[in-house]
Amino acid sequence: DIVMAQSPDSLAVSLGERATINCKSSQSVLYSSNNKNYLAWYQQRPGQPPKLLIYWASTRESGVPDRFSGSGSGTDFTLTISSLQAEDVAVYYCQQYYSTPPAFGQGTRLEIK
Amino acid sequence: EVQLVESGGGLVQPGRSLRLSCAASGFTFDDYAMHWVRQAPGKGLEWVSGISWNSGSIAYADSVKGRFTSSRDNAKNSLYLQMNSLRAEDTALYYCAKDIGSGVQLWTTSYNWFDPWGQGTLVTVSS
Repeated sequence: DIVMAQSPDSLAVSLGERATINCKSSQSVLYSSNNKNYLAWYQQRPGQPPKLLIYWASTRESGVPDRFSGSGSGTDFTLTISSLQAEDVAVYYCQQYYSTPPAFGQGTRLEIK
Repeated sequence: EVQLVESGGGLVQPGRSLRLSCAASGFTFDDYAMHWVRQAPGKGLEWVSGISWNSGSIAYADSVKGRFTSSRDNAKNSLYLQMNSLRAEDTALYYCAKDIGSGVQLWTTSYNWFDPWGQGTLVTVSS
């Protein structure tokens, strides 16, 4: 099974500043036949279910603000929020869907400094 | 609008059973795989089970294999999770979530990202 590990576990960033969250998979989630990384990012605000932000590692879901971006390939991925807004306070999860069972990272809690 | 509404949670004693339901609306239910994902209080997300569009492929996390059974009724646009031999560590908020694909590709189980998720139903296992 693929294991996902996020860093850091928590992060405090000032409003308007950049936030960077890392995700590492125990094996590559890049499928060579289509050159796609089978990785998604979710945002979970307090008291809410998770919300999809990004899939294929870097494709932003419709309606997601463009301050959110995903990057990386193979085993190392990054979610970047370019200019932190108050509504971005949440826990962020990466998920691999390359193989069964699908697996989530442990989450990164993002707060305002 | 796609909507997923879970029900059936509650307080149950260890060793007993519970059946969760997820009512789907706003999309063609029998085109998509569906999943159960749980979140223990204050903890992260744990995938529990996935079921393909026609129930031909069903997968489980090792932590629930042999105790939980996923099923779906496409005529009723509903997803179910039968939970037997419940343990304290099964205490969690259980979400149902829609896959963006059918759950099968080239005759093998194939999952994608999950969108959207329901609000969840809370299961508490305690004596």
